[in-house]
Amino acid sequence: GAVVSQHPSRVICKSGTSVKIECRSLDFQATTMFWYRQFPKKSLMLMATSNEGSKATYEQGVEKDKFLINHASLTLSTLTVTSAHPEDSSFYICSARGQSNQPQHFGDGTRLSIL
Amino acid sequence: GDSVTQMEGPVTLSEEAFLTINCTYTATGYPSLFWYVQYPGEGLQLLLKATKADDKGSNKGFEATYRKETTSFHLEKGSVQVSDSAVYFCALSSNSGGSNYKLTFGKGTLLTVNP
Repeated sequence: GAVVSQHPSRVICKSGTSVKIECRSLDFQATTMFWYRQFPKKSLMLMATSNEGSKATYEQGVEKDKFLINHASLTLSTLTVTSAHPEDSSFYICSARGQSNQPQHFGDGTRLSIL
Repeated sequence: GDSVTQMEGPVTLSEEAFLTINCTYTATGYPSLFWYVQYPGEGLQLLLKATKADDKGSNKGFEATYRKETTSFHLEKGSVQVSDSAVYFCALSSNSGGSNYKLTFGKGTLLTVNP
């Protein structure tokens, strides 16, 4: 149980393109979803927290107009990287959680490469 | 604020050796503690957890005990396998400061097991 599916697993696109990443909880209702960014050989950096039906809460230093997050249902959240540039290239990972004190379950990540 | 300090790697062991990865934490209140594992190119998988003092989490031969007196949650395995090669993250979750049970991660420890 507690499976989180993230899609796509890899994206390569040109600078200026907008890219959408989906995160789905397959067998549970995700009250809260999280989006992380991971640089090579580094730990995860929390970008934002989204609760179903509410606006996302962004961490300090994360541009909300650059990284658009939608959490329209209890099983789906999307992260859109708008007008992506090479510096946005990274590994993006989502996680989902049911109740507040339950563990987060992670997707397999999306490798984003902007040329 | 909350923080997690874990043993810096990389750690290189031979197959069947004993593994310890140290993890200590700082938190207000009573956090839950987790170990996550990340295999190359993948997201994080929950390895084990403990939610209160003296709890022992265990899974796939790995164990960790929640020690409140030493604020530690060290990961151990009696006999590692090549397939255990991965990055291991210690993490805590609490609601201190209204953090909504966000995860605070350590920096990760790369484990390489040689045949």
